[in-house]
Amino acid sequence: SQTIHQWPATLVQPVGSPLSLECTVEGTSNPNLYWYRQAAGRGLQLLFYSVGIGQISSEVPQNLSASRPQDRQFILSSKKLLLSDSGFYLCAWSVVLGNTIYFGEGSWLTVV
Amino acid sequence: DQQVKQNSPSLSVQEGRISILNCDYTNSMFDYFLWYKKYPAEGPTFLISISSIKDKNEDGRFTVFLNKSAKHLSLHIVPSQPGDSAVYFCAASNSGGSNYKLTFGKGTLLTVNP
Repeated sequence: SQTIHQWPATLVQPVGSPLSLECTVEGTSNPNLYWYRQAAGRGLQLLFYSVGIGQISSEVPQNLSASRPQDRQFILSSKKLLLSDSGFYLCAWSVVLGNTIYFGEGSWLTVV
Repeated sequence: DQQVKQNSPSLSVQEGRISILNCDYTNSMFDYFLWYKKYPAEGPTFLISISSIKDKNEDGRFTVFLNKSAKHLSLHIVPSQPGDSAVYFCAASNSGGSNYKLTFGKGTLLTVNP
């Protein structure tokens, strides 16, 4: 069966510091991969999605970037964090774009 | 522009009763709809989905109804259990279009009281 894992689970970072959140999927090949963010009191906002290695689509302009160095690995990064980057970040995968997606456990980021 | 709306931020029901969670959408190109359940500090869990070719889909205690003319869908949970207490997100997509993403509502917090 397929599993998705992301880490770290919680992170407290000072403003201006870098960020790296990592996600891996097991049990499937060539998944579509996604990064979502849930800010406090808000819904789920799609940040990036990827249909293959090295292929990244950005949904909203922001201080973050994503990379997919391997088929089942997705990384969310920032060179300099802002206070507004605080939130709950979720990695997800799907077999078909626009169809059911499956989420990881989430990573809490607090920028102080 | 919020294309998927969950107008009730919260809902409280008694154990054993029916919970009805509502969702409205504005984009007539949406043809695939999903419900997710989310506990605090965890990722959302897929519950049930429905394609626009259907008006009802049932899975155990969970039933999703789709009214395309009203651009409205609802999730019924019968009977409700305390473990159902969570935030429920409605999502929609245009599965055959160029915009592949799932668009989520802001969620409804369901509390099932023992």
